[in-house]
Amino acid sequence: AQTVTQSQPEMSVQEAETVTLSCTYDTSESDYYLFWYKQPPSRQMILVIRQEAYKQQNATENRFSVNFQKAAKSFSLKISDSQLGDAAMYFCAYRSEYNAGNMLTFGGGTRLMVKP
Amino acid sequence: DTGVSQDPRHKITKRGQNVTFRCDPISEHNRLYWYRQTLGQGPEFLTYFQNEAQLEKSRLLSDRFSAERPKGSFSTLEIQRTEQGDSAMYLCASSLLLVGNEKLFFGSGTQLSVL
Repeated sequence: AQTVTQSQPEMSVQEAETVTLSCTYDTSESDYYLFWYKQPPSRQMILVIRQEAYKQQNATENRFSVNFQKAAKSFSLKISDSQLGDAAMYFCAYRSEYNAGNMLTFGGGTRLMVKP
Repeated sequence: DTGVSQDPRHKITKRGQNVTFRCDPISEHNRLYWYRQTLGQGPEFLTYFQNEAQLEKSRLLSDRFSAERPKGSFSTLEIQRTEQGDSAMYLCASSLLLVGNEKLFFGSGTQLSVL
C-alpha cells in the first residue's frame, strides 16, 4: 500500500516571502499522480497543483510550483510571494495509475500560517 | 456548475443513534467518492460509485456504514448505531471520468459529533 508523509505539522511564512512544504511518499509503482490540495477554514478541498510521475518537468501554477524528485520519492510545494489568503491546511496526495477507482491517499497535512 | 453540496453541514447526535448525510455532486459527474477526515489528519477513502454502482469499499467502512447512489445522482451515507469514534468530517467528492485527467471536486463536508 502507498503511504504519504508530511513531516511538517505547521509552517509559518511572512507575507510576500517564499515557503516550501515537504512531502515524501512510498510506492513500488512507476506510474502515478501526485497532488497538493489546499483546505481553508471553509473546509472545501481545493486542488492546487498536479504532477504526473512520467513527466520530468516540474509542474507550475502561477505562484505555486513543485520540486518532484522521483528517485527520492519526494514532492515538495513551493509557494512564492505568499499572500494572506494562502493560509490553510495543505495536503499532499498520491493516486495510482493502476487503480481503476482513482482513489487518493493523503498525507497528514501541514498548517500554513502567513504573517502580515 | 454549482459545485458539490453536502447536507447537513454539522450534525450532533447521541451515541447509538442513526445518522444520514447527503451529497449532491456536480450534475454531469459520473463518479462520487466519500472520504472521512478526523481532526488533524488527512482524508481517508471510504467508498466510491460510478453512476449508481458502488465499486469499492474501504475496510474502514464497517457494517454500520452504508452508502447508496440511487439513479446515479445524489448519494447518501448512513451510519447506524453511532459510536464516539465515528466523530469526524465526512467529505464527498465527484468527478467526470476522463482517461488520464480525472479531477476531483470536493464538497465542504459534514462535521459529525457523537456525544
